[in-house]
Amino acid sequence: RKEVEQDPGPFNVPEGATVAFNCTYSNSASQSFFWYRQDCRKEPKLLMSIYSSGNEDGRFTAQLNRASQYISLLIRDSKLSDSATYLCVVRGRTSTSGTYKYIFGTGTRLKVLA
Amino acid sequence: NAGVTQTPKFQVLKTGQSMTLQCAQDMNHEYMSWYRQDPGMGLRLIHYSVGAGITDQGEVPNGYNVSRSTTEDFPLRLLSAAPSQTSVYFCASSPTVYEQYFGPGTRLTVT
Repeated sequence: RKEVEQDPGPFNVPEGATVAFNCTYSNSASQSFFWYRQDCRKEPKLLMSIYSSGNEDGRFTAQLNRASQYISLLIRDSKLSDSATYLCVVRGRTSTSGTYKYIFGTGTRLKVLA
Repeated sequence: NAGVTQTPKFQVLKTGQSMTLQCAQDMNHEYMSWYRQDPGMGLRLIHYSVGAGITDQGEVPNGYNVSRSTTEDFPLRLLSAAPSQTSVYFCASSPTVYEQYFGPGTRLTVT
């Protein structure tokens, strides 16, 4: 089982739609959670950090469910410019060395259609 | 601020050649790391550094070396390139151990 799992998509949605992505993680000791956005052939850029149960920033809402070990990203009123790949990132201690590391999901691709 | 810069943007190597990917940041961040990104896989950590003079291995360190002589620079060396090292390489820096800022990436092809 992968440490961080995401549905690869693509999610094809019309402009103005609401879309939600889920991400599950396997390490219950994970402490920090992030959503990054990556445009085609570009670097990942931080979209949102989640330090407690959730975070909201304009049209974007991220939520964390520690009991079920998943995080979600909700995008309201989708724009054409939201088309990108969304990466789920989890930070926690490794089970072997005890150091912290970031684990990246493979990403969920979103296409917003005109 | 230029942020995180990486050079070169593209590189083609022959098997067995060595080269250094450059990474620099001007934000005075202590934490820097190198990732590779391959199709169908998440970014995987190669090496990281928590400050000048301190480096450690990540998930996929074999075939790569790093050093951190200054806060600003964190070069990644490929010792003897192999086709399996064909990938996109991203350098990242962080002011804390939370959010990371990525450079634009280096696309490497090994033939």
